[in-house]
Amino acid sequence: NAGVMQNPRHLVRRRGQEARLRCSPMKGHSHVYWYRQLPEEGLKFMVYLQKENIIDESGMPKERFSAEFPKEGPSILRIQQVVRGDSAAYFCASSRGTEAFFGQGTRLTVV
Amino acid sequence: GIQVEQSPPDLILQEGANSTLRCNFSDSVNNLQWFHQNPWGQLINLFYIPSGTKQNGRLSATTVATERYSLLYISSSQTTDSGVYFCAVGLNNAGNMLTFGGGTRLMVKP
Repeated sequence: NAGVMQNPRHLVRRRGQEARLRCSPMKGHSHVYWYRQLPEEGLKFMVYLQKENIIDESGMPKERFSAEFPKEGPSILRIQQVVRGDSAAYFCASSRGTEAFFGQGTRLTVV
Repeated sequence: GIQVEQSPPDLILQEGANSTLRCNFSDSVNNLQWFHQNPWGQLINLFYIPSGTKQNGRLSATTVATERYSLLYISSSQTTDSGVYFCAVGLNNAGNMLTFGGGTRLMVKP
């Protein structure tokens, strides 16, 4: 049973470009969460999704950030017009509603 | 929202020593997890422990939910235990989004 799969592992974008981060949850998990970790800090919740629905996006910036979890395919975290402050590690987690398991993260660097 | 505080923030141990890491949280929770973030950044599940005591090899954890704290014990530490240990709490009936503490950064010296 494969774990939570995230890709790419590393992503470099120039300021103003778009970043797309992908997450495939563990088999049988219908809950997906995205977290952001800034350097030397803990993880901060961004958004919680179930298939085709955003359940809670209270931790996600109102502008430039969006997330989806379509009926088919991985969950996508999309950051438009990236700025240097978006540089961080973005982690995806999945669960059946209790214990959460994390992917290896995508490290986004904006240059 | 829930506040999660971990102590100590930094810990240096000699290989073979034991340690206790603490996690205090400000409100009732029904999910508590401990993670180890290794030097490569990977988050490894250690314990899912909303209450009670669990053991896994050299690691054990205890959560006293009524007093809003959890302890992680590391015995006979090894250099591979180095990294950051995070405590995270959540409410299952609120979607189980996790609130993380600031972590304890552990360095085990040979």
